[in-house]
Amino acid sequence: EVRLVESGGGLVQPGGSLRLSCAATGFSFSDYDMHWVRQAAGKGLEWVSEIDSNGDTYYPDSVKGRFTVSRENGKNSLYLQINSLRADDTAVYYCARDGGVSTRYLDYWGQGTLVTVSS
Amino acid sequence: SYELSQPPSVSVSPGQTATITCSGDRLADKYACWYQQKPGQSPVLVIYQDTKRPSEIPERYSGSNSGNTATLTISETQALDEADYYCQAWDSNTWVFGGGTKLTVL
Repeated sequence: EVRLVESGGGLVQPGGSLRLSCAATGFSFSDYDMHWVRQAAGKGLEWVSEIDSNGDTYYPDSVKGRFTVSRENGKNSLYLQINSLRADDTAVYYCARDGGVSTRYLDYWGQGTLVTVSS
Repeated sequence: SYELSQPPSVSVSPGQTATITCSGDRLADKYACWYQQKPGQSPVLVIYQDTKRPSEIPERYSGSNSGNTATLTISETQALDEADYYCQAWDSNTWVFGGGTKLTVL
């Protein structure tokens, strides 16, 4: 059974940093591209990063330079480093598995971890 | 940047067919997929690669993609289908979501 479990969220002051983690089980983690998607309360889904199986990374312009996605295949783990946090980064952050090479869909999602940016 | 547009809300009576649209420039040239999200839950993939359905998703769910519009169709709609639905496509190394459509079954 594929399972993704996020952790690391919490209350952070503006300007601070946070590192989110996602523990993956039930599949060959190293073979899959992985993503982070966030959702502010009452709002829609927003893609914020991708790391492919080769370790190449991709970001939307809205977070480029502040967000860094990484992975540790030996620990079946995905990470998201968020720096210079702003109030509008407040959201639930989901990790999600890419359906496969060039498939362009996310077939499994974690339960999410809440990041709150506030003084 | 690429954008996808969805109607904010759609209403349907139980047993009827619900249709949710997703519009984007030449969307048919890309793969579209759809996610269902119920309150307090994570998104669930219901349609991928325009028309394919994960094995655990009921046959009542179907998808199409032509021209500038992808469509999610839910036949014989039930109360448990009430949820937010998001379309998604990929363009130039960017993953794009539509704004979401709240489906109300009443």
